[in-house]
Amino acid sequence: DSGVTQTPKHLITATGQRVTLRCSPRSGDLSVYWYQQSLDQGLQFLIQYYNGEERAKGNILERFSAQQFPDLHSELNLSSLELGDSALYFCASSVGLAGADTQYFGPGTRLTVL
Amino acid sequence: AQSVTQLDSHVSVSEGTPVLLRCNYSSSYSPSLFWYVQHPNKGLQLLLKYTSAATLVKGINGFEAEFKKSETSFHLTKPSAHMSDAAEYFCVVSLATSGTYKYIFGTGTRLKVLA
Repeated sequence: DSGVTQTPKHLITATGQRVTLRCSPRSGDLSVYWYQQSLDQGLQFLIQYYNGEERAKGNILERFSAQQFPDLHSELNLSSLELGDSALYFCASSVGLAGADTQYFGPGTRLTVL
Repeated sequence: AQSVTQLDSHVSVSEGTPVLLRCNYSSSYSPSLFWYVQHPNKGLQLLLKYTSAATLVKGINGFEAEFKKSETSFHLTKPSAHMSDAAEYFCVVSLATSGTYKYIFGTGTRLKVLA
């Protein structure tokens, strides 16, 4: 158990809908990262937050947004969903911003868009 | 630019034989490198990491990796494979970007262990 929790574990929805994925980092970790894992794209970094502020962006679509709250939990919002958004979404957390900081991954949320 | 290449998408070994999963990186400076393992329908678990201390890094479950700057490699090895090692393995380089770092993942190597 990494100490990172994600809810829900599974999500099935229809095209055009909007969903929210939730992540609670390990106790004491200030950085939160979101990743998308799909068969064709592999593991892609989406976005990073540190202590409530956005710090880095990766291949995140404009239909997707995220935020980190004062209690450090984070939410990833996916809107106008398309079939291609079906994937496993991981959250990870780390202590800070150093390159050597280990990222600890949650169990993921499997999103299926029908 | 930094990137990481995993040379084999699939590796099959017999139980009890050595495991070698290959990873090469490109970096303009000495990077932090990681190996993660993902079992089916599970999250990623850290096996080991290199952060410019000892070049031979020991990890969990008997895995180790050696950082070779001259070869820009960070191959993962284990002397004797166990059935429970069957999983997907990712080599990761930590990339500096705008005051922070982000992970760049390799494409993964799926390890199959034969009885």
